Amino acid sequence: QLQLQESGPGLVKPSETLSLICSVSGDSITTSGYYWGWIRQPPGKGLEWIGYIYYDGSTYYSPSLKSRVTISVDTSKNQFSLRLRSVTAADTAVYYCARNRDVYFPFDYWGQGVLVTVSS
Amino acid sequence: EIVMTQSPATLSVSPGERATLSCRASQSVSSHLAWYQQKPGQAPRLLIYGASSRATGIPARFSGSGSGTEFTLTISSLQSEDFAVYYCQQYNDWPPMCSFGQGTKLEIK
Repeated sequence: QLQLQESGPGLVKPSETLSLICSVSGDSITTSGYYWGWIRQPPGKGLEWIGYIYYDGSTYYSPSLKSRVTISVDTSKNQFSLRLRSVTAADTAVYYCARNRDVYFPFDYWGQGVLVTVSS
Repeated sequence: EIVMTQSPATLSVSPGERATLSCRASQSVSSHLAWYQQKPGQAPRLLIYGASSRATGIPARFSGSGSGTEFTLTISSLQSEDFAVYYCQQYNDWPPMCSFGQGTKLEIK
């Protein structure tokens, strides 16, 4: 059974960089065809897609966040990560990692999510 | 960028009755449309993919329809555990991108 688990600081100061890791168990992060994604949800609001990393390392980002986001993969640890630079209070959200098994397939496995608050 | 619009924002329905939720795309997404259910404090759960295919373990009372720009999620006989927020998502873009609707809250009448 595939499982994903987010981890990282729950509090980040404005203008700093938010860094999160998604640890994957139950399958290899390099399995052909898989996309690994980050999605966020501000408190009381809807879901916002942040970006994907493909099993081959290719990345795709939301146009609204592209200038501040980097998603990378660590195959040796079966993990992928999110870095969001120059954060503001508007970046306060629950951050989820998730998997697509194919580009034309939705997110079928999700982590439980981690709340990140941006505050001084 | 494809914009997804859900209606209504809130839907009040009695247990045992039928609920119909709508989702519209700003341009055609073919059948690359999913529905998720989210309960408080939980991650979204995939219900429907390909506009009309139920995900593993999803009860038959959940059904999806539509293609192109207009989609519907129908819950045929509401159970207490169905009251939640529902999101639609398109995943038709190339290069790979996706977007979500703003959600419909299904509440007990």
